[in-house]
Order: sequence, then structure tokens, then C-alpha cells
Amino acid sequence: EVQLVESGGGLVQPGGSLRLSCAASGFTLSSHAMSWVRQAPGKGLEWISTISGNEGSTYYADSVKGRFTISRDSSKNVVYLQLKSLRAEDTARYYCAHLQSGLGYCTSTSCLYYFDNWGQGTLVTVSS
Amino acid sequence: DIVMTQSPDSLAVSLGERATINCKSSQSVLYSSNNKNYLAWYQQKPGQPPKLLIYWASTRASGVPDRFSGSGSGTDFTLTISSLQAEDVAVYYCQQYYSTPPLTFGGGTKVEIK
Repeated sequence: EVQLVESGGGLVQPGGSLRLSCAASGFTLSSHAMSWVRQAPGKGLEWISTISGNEGSTYYADSVKGRFTISRDSSKNVVYLQLKSLRAEDTARYYCAHLQSGLGYCTSTSCLYYFDNWGQGTLVTVSS
Repeated sequence: DIVMTQSPDSLAVSLGERATINCKSSQSVLYSSNNKNYLAWYQQKPGQPPKLLIYWASTRASGVPDRFSGSGSGTDFTLTISSLQAEDVAVYYCQQYYSTPPLTFGGGTKVEIK
């Protein structure tokens, strides 16, 4: 059974940093694409980053590019999201999600598909 | 980027009645090479993470009751709950994966009991 457990959220001042972790079980991370999706209080879902399986290519939303970094530790089966230069508008619950991806149904621009497993999320609050 | 627009923002339906949610993409998400629509639907109940309901526009995810169905093609899609149950109260989101990144979601539709 796939399980995703996020940790590392908390209260941080504007301009500060935080590292989120997502511990995966039930599958081998290095072969699967993983994403972070956030949800501001009372708002909708926003995809922010993906790390692909095997080659480990990384992708970011424009809103976080240059400030957030996704990575993984295959030996620990953990995905990370490093958050830097945090702003009030980064306040949200951050979900780790397994992303179906890969060869077989790629379009001319994408091999990233849908999110089939989600963690419970970890809350990040950016405030002074 | 492909923009996803859902309607209505909210709807109230009586128990046992049909609920219909619409999702429109700013460009087609139908890939002509394989005739697949790159669209998914999610359900998010209060205090819970989203849950995958439908992918490839009309394929139900494992364990999803058959009262949930997805339809549509190209730019216009519909999620239908054929007979609303109390446990279906939630916010529903569509998501495109035709042209990524970014993976984009609709703004959500809140379904309540009338």
C-alpha cells in the first residue's frame, strides 16, 4: 500500500527558509515521479514542483522558481522541498503526491499525468 | 499555460439527485495521436487531502463508486454524480496534464446537500 507522510512545516518569518520532507512507503521513489502541491487557506490546489522518476528531472511553477528546490534521497525513500525567501503568499498546506508519469502516453510536451496518491499535508505559515 | 475553468463555483443538490460539474480548458486537451483526453477529476472532503476520482476524462480510479462518471472531450468536460449521497459533500477539482509543466487545476466546485 502506498503511503506518503509529510513533515517539516511550521511558522517561519518572511524571508526565512524551511525544508519539507515526504517519506514514502509501498514503492521505490527513484522509479516514480513525485510532486508537491499546495493549498492556501480556503483556496484551491496549486501544483508547485515535480521530480521525475529515473532521470530525476525537476520542474517548478513560476511562482516558486528560484526559491524552492525539490530533491530526493533514494536510500531513505524521501522527497524534500527546500523553501527559501519565503513570502506571506507561500502560506499554505503543502501536499506530497505521487504522480503517474512516463512513457506510453506522452504528448509532444509532457510525460506527466495525474496524482493518484496524496499525503495528509504539512502546514507552512509565513508571518512575522 | 492551459487555464482550467470550472462551473458552477458551488451547487446544492438534494440527496439522491444528480449533480453536474463542468470544466473547460483554454485549449484542447485531446491528444490526436492516441485519442485520449488528458484530464483528471479529484474530490476533496473537508479536512482531507484530495482523492483521485477520474483520469483520462472518463476512467474511474480504483474503488470509486460507479455513481461518479466523467465525460467530455477536447475543451469541455463534465463530472456527474448520478445519485448524490451525504458522503459526497466535498469540493471537486479538474486538472489537465496535456501540456506540462505546469500541471493546472480548475478553481474547484463545492457540492452541498440541499
